[in-house]
Amino acid sequence: AQTVTQSQPEMSVQEAETVTLSCTYDTSESDYYLFWYKQPPSRQMILVIRQEAYKQQNATENRFSVNFQKAAKSFSLKISDSQLGDAAMYFCARVDQKVTFGIGTKLQVIP
Amino acid sequence: DADVTQTPRNRITKTGKRIMLECSQTKGHDRMYWYRQDPGLGLRLIYYSFDVKDINKGEISDGYSVSRQAQAKFSLSLESAIPNQTALYFCATSGLPGQNTEAFFGQGTRLTVV
Repeated sequence: AQTVTQSQPEMSVQEAETVTLSCTYDTSESDYYLFWYKQPPSRQMILVIRQEAYKQQNATENRFSVNFQKAAKSFSLKISDSQLGDAAMYFCARVDQKVTFGIGTKLQVIP
Repeated sequence: DADVTQTPRNRITKTGKRIMLECSQTKGHDRMYWYRQDPGLGLRLIYYSFDVKDINKGEISDGYSVSRQAQAKFSLSLESAIPNQTALYFCATSGLPGQNTEAFFGQGTRLTVV
């Protein structure tokens, strides 16, 4: 199976600090997309950021940015200036022929 | 109205009962998916459908069946529910590869089998 791996089951960060969540994947497809989703306690899945695999430039959305290393098949999420509302489960996902998720990282933000 | 709607939101059922979870979408996407979410296991793919006539098993299809009644509707059935099917179930849709579209999710169905 072509997998998506999130090796950090839980992470914590001090409010206003920066944290990086890791994700690695494998795929035999040349055309694919990568996403980070946030799932707060409300259980809704919320898109955080997307990256097209053909683009070398790392995606950025306000306080969220990615470090996309295509050759290494790595797609980490950096959250800057962490806020209490960032506390949630974060899922990395690869979209090629279908949508495949990692097991998630639970992020705790400490006031 | 939500782009992807799941019903019911919560359900408690008894072991051995048949239950259907329904999903409808207004995104116009051909691709639809059913996942289950369990603590520590993330979202695992049960079934997916690329169009009305194309249905595929995911990694954990045993004990489940699906029906794609129309482009907009994709239902998941548990023919004889068992307690280890207690989980949070998500329906999702996505566009075709190359369309740079993320997966859109329903709000989930919390299913408890007692």
